[in-house]
Amino acid sequence: KQEVTQIPAALSVPEGENLVLNCSFTDSAIYNLQWFRQDPGKGLTSLLLIQSSQREQTSGRLNASLDKSSGRSTLYIAASQPGDSATYLCAVFPGDDYKLSFGAGTTVTVRA
Amino acid sequence: GAGVSQTPSNKVTEKGKYVELRCDPISGHTALYWYRQSLGQGPEFLIYFQGTGAADDSGLPNDRFFAVRPEGSVSTLKIQRTERGDSAVYLCASSSMTGTALGYTFGSGTRLTVV
Repeated sequence: KQEVTQIPAALSVPEGENLVLNCSFTDSAIYNLQWFRQDPGKGLTSLLLIQSSQREQTSGRLNASLDKSSGRSTLYIAASQPGDSATYLCAVFPGDDYKLSFGAGTTVTVRA
Repeated sequence: GAGVSQTPSNKVTEKGKYVELRCDPISGHTALYWYRQSLGQGPEFLIYFQGTGAADDSGLPNDRFFAVRPEGSVSTLKIQRTERGDSAVYLCASSSMTGTALGYTFGSGTRLTVV
Protein backbone atom coordinates (compact mmCIF):
# COMPACT_ATOMS: atom_id res chain seq x y z
CA LYS A 1 0.00 0.00 0.00
CA GLN A 2 1.34 3.43 -0.95
CA GLU A 3 2.28 5.57 2.05
CA VAL A 4 2.79 9.30 1.56
CA THR A 5 4.57 11.35 4.22
CA GLN A 6 4.96 15.12 4.40
CA ILE A 7 7.56 16.80 6.55
CA PRO A 8 7.36 19.12 8.36
CA ALA A 9 3.74 19.02 9.51
CA ALA A 10 3.84 22.77 10.15
CA LEU A 11 6.13 25.61 9.21
CA SER A 12 6.24 29.29 10.18
CA VAL A 13 8.50 31.74 8.36
CA PRO A 14 8.85 35.52 8.03
CA GLU A 15 7.72 37.12 4.82
CA GLY A 16 10.32 36.96 2.05
CA GLU A 17 11.91 33.67 3.06
CA ASN A 18 11.92 30.75 0.65
CA LEU A 19 9.80 27.73 1.60
CA VAL A 20 10.84 24.10 1.16
CA LEU A 21 8.15 21.45 1.61
CA ASN A 22 8.99 17.76 1.44
CA CYS A 23 6.94 14.78 0.32
CA SER A 24 8.06 11.15 0.33
CA PHE A 25 6.29 8.05 -0.94
CA THR A 26 7.02 4.36 -0.44
CA ASP A 27 6.15 2.91 -3.86
CA SER A 28 8.10 4.51 -6.71
CA ALA A 29 5.80 3.04 -9.39
CA ILE A 30 3.77 6.21 -9.80
CA TYR A 31 2.21 7.76 -12.87
CA ASN A 32 2.29 11.35 -11.66
CA LEU A 33 2.45 13.47 -8.52
CA GLN A 34 0.29 16.49 -7.81
CA TRP A 35 0.72 19.32 -5.31
CA PHE A 36 -2.41 20.98 -3.94
CA ARG A 37 -3.12 24.00 -1.79
CA GLN A 38 -5.93 24.01 0.76
CA ASP A 39 -7.14 27.12 2.57
CA PRO A 40 -8.91 26.70 5.92
CA GLY A 41 -12.40 25.29 5.45
CA LYS A 42 -11.96 25.08 1.67
CA GLY A 43 -11.38 22.44 -0.98
CA LEU A 44 -8.21 21.65 -2.88
CA THR A 45 -6.62 23.84 -5.53
CA SER A 46 -4.17 22.15 -7.88
CA LEU A 47 -0.80 23.89 -8.00
CA LEU A 48 1.50 21.67 -10.03
CA LEU A 49 1.36 18.25 -11.64
CA ILE A 50 4.56 16.37 -12.43
CA GLN A 51 4.51 13.40 -14.78
CA SER A 52 6.64 10.42 -13.79
CA SER A 53 8.95 11.11 -16.76
CA GLN A 54 9.57 14.69 -15.65
CA ARG A 55 11.98 15.94 -13.02
CA GLU A 56 10.37 19.26 -12.26
CA GLN A 57 7.59 21.71 -12.99
CA THR A 58 7.49 25.47 -12.48
CA SER A 59 4.69 27.98 -12.17
CA GLY A 60 5.57 31.51 -11.13
CA ARG A 61 7.21 31.42 -7.71
CA LEU A 62 6.49 27.70 -7.35
CA ASN A 63 8.83 24.91 -8.39
CA ALA A 64 8.28 21.22 -7.73
CA SER A 65 10.88 18.53 -8.25
CA LEU A 66 10.39 14.79 -8.47
CA ASP A 67 12.91 12.01 -7.84
CA LYS A 68 10.97 8.83 -8.49
CA SER A 69 13.80 6.45 -7.70
CA SER A 70 14.19 7.80 -4.18
CA GLY A 71 10.47 8.38 -3.69
CA ARG A 72 10.70 12.11 -3.06
CA SER A 73 9.22 15.37 -4.22
CA THR A 74 9.97 18.87 -3.03
CA LEU A 75 7.87 21.99 -3.43
CA TYR A 76 9.81 25.26 -3.37
CA ILE A 77 8.02 28.58 -2.92
CA ALA A 78 10.26 31.56 -3.53
CA ALA A 79 9.99 34.88 -1.68
CA SER A 80 7.05 33.83 0.49
CA GLN A 81 4.12 36.18 1.10
CA PRO A 82 1.41 36.16 3.80
CA GLY A 83 -1.04 35.05 1.10
CA ASP A 84 0.93 31.81 0.79
CA SER A 85 -0.32 30.78 4.24
CA ALA A 86 -2.28 27.55 3.72
CA THR A 87 -1.94 23.79 3.94
CA TYR A 88 -0.03 22.15 1.11
CA LEU A 89 -0.81 18.56 0.21
CA CYS A 90 1.01 16.21 -2.11
CA ALA A 91 -0.73 13.28 -3.76
CA VAL A 92 0.60 10.43 -5.88
CA PHE A 93 -1.29 8.77 -8.69
CA PRO A 94 -0.33 5.14 -9.18
CA GLY A 95 -1.33 4.74 -12.81
CA ASP A 96 -2.47 1.14 -12.52
CA ASP A 97 -5.18 2.43 -10.24
CA TYR A 98 -7.10 5.68 -10.14
CA LYS A 99 -6.99 6.51 -6.44
CA LEU A 100 -4.86 9.37 -5.31
CA SER A 101 -2.85 8.71 -2.15
CA PHE A 102 -2.44 11.88 -0.11
CA GLY A 103 -0.03 12.99 2.53
CA ALA A 104 -1.39 14.68 5.64
CA GLY A 105 -0.12 18.06 4.48
CA THR A 106 2.23 20.80 5.65
CA THR A 107 0.54 23.84 7.21
CA VAL A 108 2.45 26.99 6.33
CA THR A 109 2.22 30.34 8.10
CA VAL A 110 4.00 33.31 6.55
CA ARG A 111 4.38 36.15 9.07
CA ALA A 112 4.15 39.73 7.81
CA GLY B 1 -19.79 24.32 -15.46
CA ALA B 2 -16.41 25.96 -15.07
CA GLY B 3 -15.46 23.94 -12.01
CA VAL B 4 -16.65 21.18 -9.71
CA SER B 5 -19.56 22.41 -7.62
CA GLN B 6 -20.53 20.87 -4.28
CA THR B 7 -23.64 21.63 -2.26
CA PRO B 8 -24.27 22.37 0.50
CA SER B 9 -20.95 23.89 1.59
CA ASN B 10 -21.81 23.19 5.21
CA LYS B 11 -24.25 20.73 6.75
CA VAL B 12 -25.03 20.27 10.43
CA THR B 13 -27.22 17.30 11.27
CA GLU B 14 -28.29 15.37 14.31
CA LYS B 15 -26.99 11.91 15.03
CA GLY B 16 -29.17 9.29 13.39
CA LYS B 17 -30.45 11.53 10.58
CA TYR B 18 -30.08 10.96 6.84
CA VAL B 19 -28.05 13.37 4.67
CA GLU B 20 -27.39 13.84 0.98
CA LEU B 21 -24.36 15.62 -0.44
CA ARG B 22 -24.35 16.74 -4.05
CA CYS B 23 -21.53 17.03 -6.58
CA ASP B 24 -21.81 18.66 -9.99
CA PRO B 25 -18.64 17.82 -11.98
CA ILE B 26 -17.01 19.68 -14.84
CA SER B 27 -19.13 19.29 -17.93
CA GLY B 28 -17.95 16.36 -20.04
CA HIS B 29 -15.84 14.75 -17.32
CA THR B 30 -16.66 11.07 -17.27
CA ALA B 31 -14.76 10.15 -14.12
CA LEU B 32 -16.01 11.31 -10.71
CA TYR B 33 -14.53 10.60 -7.30
CA TRP B 34 -15.58 11.11 -3.70
CA TYR B 35 -13.00 11.56 -0.94
CA ARG B 36 -13.35 12.18 2.79
CA GLN B 37 -10.99 14.37 4.79
CA SER B 38 -10.86 14.19 8.57
CA LEU B 39 -9.32 17.00 10.58
CA GLY B 40 -5.55 17.18 10.21
CA GLN B 41 -5.38 14.41 7.63
CA GLY B 42 -5.20 14.08 3.89
CA PRO B 43 -8.26 13.06 1.88
CA GLU B 44 -9.08 9.36 1.68
CA PHE B 45 -10.76 7.64 -1.25
CA LEU B 46 -14.41 6.63 -0.93
CA ILE B 47 -15.83 5.79 -4.36
CA TYR B 48 -15.12 6.20 -8.07
CA PHE B 49 -17.62 6.48 -10.94
CA GLN B 50 -16.87 5.99 -14.60
CA GLY B 51 -19.99 7.22 -16.35
CA THR B 52 -23.09 6.09 -14.50
CA GLY B 53 -21.64 3.09 -12.75
CA ALA B 54 -19.66 2.83 -9.55
CA ALA B 55 -16.42 1.28 -10.78
CA ASP B 56 -14.95 1.01 -7.29
CA ASP B 57 -16.75 1.59 -3.99
CA SER B 58 -14.12 -0.13 -1.85
CA GLY B 59 -13.44 3.02 0.16
CA LEU B 60 -16.97 3.36 1.52
CA PRO B 61 -16.60 2.70 5.27
CA ASN B 62 -19.81 0.70 5.75
CA ASP B 63 -23.27 0.10 4.30
CA ARG B 64 -24.63 3.35 5.71
CA PHE B 65 -22.82 5.09 2.85
CA PHE B 66 -24.10 4.97 -0.71
CA ALA B 67 -23.54 7.07 -3.83
CA VAL B 68 -25.30 7.37 -7.17
CA ARG B 69 -24.71 9.03 -10.50
CA PRO B 70 -27.83 8.15 -12.50
CA GLU B 71 -27.19 10.20 -15.64
CA GLY B 72 -23.42 10.17 -15.64
CA SER B 73 -23.12 13.77 -14.50
CA VAL B 74 -24.32 14.90 -11.06
CA SER B 75 -23.55 12.55 -8.18
CA THR B 76 -25.13 12.29 -4.74
CA LEU B 77 -23.43 10.79 -1.69
CA LYS B 78 -25.98 9.50 0.78
CA ILE B 79 -25.34 8.73 4.44
CA GLN B 80 -27.94 6.96 6.54
CA ARG B 81 -28.18 6.95 10.34
CA THR B 82 -25.35 9.45 10.67
CA GLU B 83 -22.85 9.08 13.49
CA ARG B 84 -20.55 11.64 15.09
CA GLY B 85 -17.59 9.87 13.50
CA ASP B 86 -18.97 10.75 10.06
CA SER B 87 -18.09 14.40 10.68
CA ALA B 88 -15.54 15.41 8.05
CA VAL B 89 -15.13 17.34 4.84
CA TYR B 90 -16.45 15.39 1.86
CA LEU B 91 -14.64 16.26 -1.35
CA CYS B 92 -15.69 15.52 -4.89
CA ALA B 93 -13.35 15.53 -7.88
CA SER B 94 -13.70 14.91 -11.58
CA SER B 95 -11.33 14.17 -14.43
CA SER B 96 -11.67 13.77 -18.16
CA MET B 97 -10.57 10.17 -18.28
CA THR B 98 -9.34 7.29 -16.23
CA GLY B 99 -5.66 7.26 -15.43
CA THR B 100 -5.55 10.85 -16.51
CA ALA B 101 -2.34 12.70 -17.13
CA LEU B 102 -4.34 15.85 -16.57
CA GLY B 103 -4.92 15.51 -12.88
CA TYR B 104 -7.99 15.83 -10.81
CA THR B 105 -10.09 18.96 -10.29
CA PHE B 106 -11.60 19.13 -6.81
CA GLY B 107 -14.66 20.95 -5.57
CA SER B 108 -14.70 23.10 -2.44
CA GLY B 109 -16.14 20.30 -0.35
CA THR B 110 -19.05 19.85 2.01
CA ARG B 111 -18.23 20.17 5.69
CA LEU B 112 -20.49 17.71 7.51
CA THR B 113 -20.93 18.05 11.26
CA VAL B 114 -22.94 15.43 13.13
CA VAL B 115 -24.04 16.60 16.59
